[in-house]
Amino acid sequence: AQTVTQSQPEMSVQEAETVTLSCTYDTSESDYYLFWYKQPPSRQMILVIRQEAYKQQNATENRFSVNFQKAAKSFSLKISDSQLGDAAMYFCASHNTNAGKSTFGDGTTLTVKP
Amino acid sequence: GAVVSQHPSWVICKSGTSVKIECRSLDFQATTMFWYRQFPKQSLMLMATSNEGSKATYEQGVEKDKFLINHASLTLSTLTVTSAHPEDSSFYICSASIGGHTGELFFGEGSRLTVL
Repeated sequence: AQTVTQSQPEMSVQEAETVTLSCTYDTSESDYYLFWYKQPPSRQMILVIRQEAYKQQNATENRFSVNFQKAAKSFSLKISDSQLGDAAMYFCASHNTNAGKSTFGDGTTLTVKP
Repeated sequence: GAVVSQHPSWVICKSGTSVKIECRSLDFQATTMFWYRQFPKQSLMLMATSNEGSKATYEQGVEKDKFLINHASLTLSTLTVTSAHPEDSSFYICSASIGGHTGELFFGEGSRLTVL
């Protein structure tokens, strides 16, 4: 069974500053993928960034990057130059390739202060 | 990008009635769709996995007779909440997978169900 833990229910950041959202996971699988999804107040969830577990290089998408520590089973999300539009609930997820389904963390609500 | 549309976005019904929620993949064929339930400021609780042309796989504790899932085509899955009661009031979200290895999900807008 997979578990995903987000230990920060709420975080806040000043506009233009950097914030890091934490995520740890536990899996016995060797083949898995990790994701960060964003759920804005309008509710439709969208993909922020994806990391293949077999890749050592940390994924980066513009202002979003991850710090993937496989041995520690840690997968944090860094948002640089935070913008007001980044305010949302962020979910960390682990996809089990064999089971074909994803497990989500409890989410972190990010507030961006102008 | 892949687009998933969910309808209706909100629905109010009387206790004892049934409500159907549709989830459509608009620009791709979704071999697998997932249905979740989300309570305010909480995570997504997976209810069931819907595979085109076969019976849905329900998660433990989810009543399959209450939450009927049909995935009749590669672009449409439906969730019917039968004999709805106030405790079924929730936000229901669907997601679809294009397939392949990564498991990347594309989500619908969600449906807010209120049972009076």
